[in-house]
Amino acid sequence: AQSVAQPEDQVNVAEGNPLTVKCTYSVSGNPYLFWYVQYPNRGLQFLLKYITGDNLVKGSYGFEAEFNKSQTSFHLKKPSALVSDSALYFCAVRVPEGAGSYQLTFGKGTKLSVIP
Amino acid sequence: DTAVSQTPKYLVTQMGNDKSIKCEQNLGHDTMYWYKQDSKKFLKIMFSYNNKELIINETVPNRFSPKSPDKAHLNLHINSLELGDSAVYFCASSPPPGELFFGEGSRLTVL
Repeated sequence: AQSVAQPEDQVNVAEGNPLTVKCTYSVSGNPYLFWYVQYPNRGLQFLLKYITGDNLVKGSYGFEAEFNKSQTSFHLKKPSALVSDSALYFCAVRVPEGAGSYQLTFGKGTKLSVIP
Repeated sequence: DTAVSQTPKYLVTQMGNDKSIKCEQNLGHDTMYWYKQDSKKFLKIMFSYNNKELIINETVPNRFSPKSPDKAHLNLHINSLELGDSAVYFCASSPPPGELFFGEGSRLTVL
């Protein structure tokens, strides 16, 4: 079974400071990893993904994430936070084959608050 | 053009009623999904269809019945609504095995 843990319910960061939202995963086999953002009363928007290749992936709105296989982590980062980054962030995992390839398993979400 | 559209956006209904939520995607994807987001914002897969064939059917009460008339549509019908069914339901589609594209959600409130 595949699972994702986001250990922080909430992350607070000052505007202009770097931010990190943590994610660890558990799968059998190679993971495909994703980050999504959800603004209030909206659907989920795709930010970035790791499928294969370079461990550092860059995505939308200046976000990036680093895949670390030994630590089974995929933390989301941004060098300089904006107030408009305040939202709910979800990490997700799927596997390339089998029944698990037909679903994204999500973490419970981390609320990011960027303080002006 | 909206990639994944679902209607209605809001439903308010009484316990015991039957309701449907429609979903359409114009991305040409083979796989479509229904997810439920509860009041704590937890997202859980309900169903996954690939080329109109049911692939995943999680432990969802059989009052929930998905129907996929064609590859571009995946509707959700709910019978005998209960208070605990109140949630936001998201439709999504994806190419295999890429990212999911989500609709804006349908907020169901059961009174």
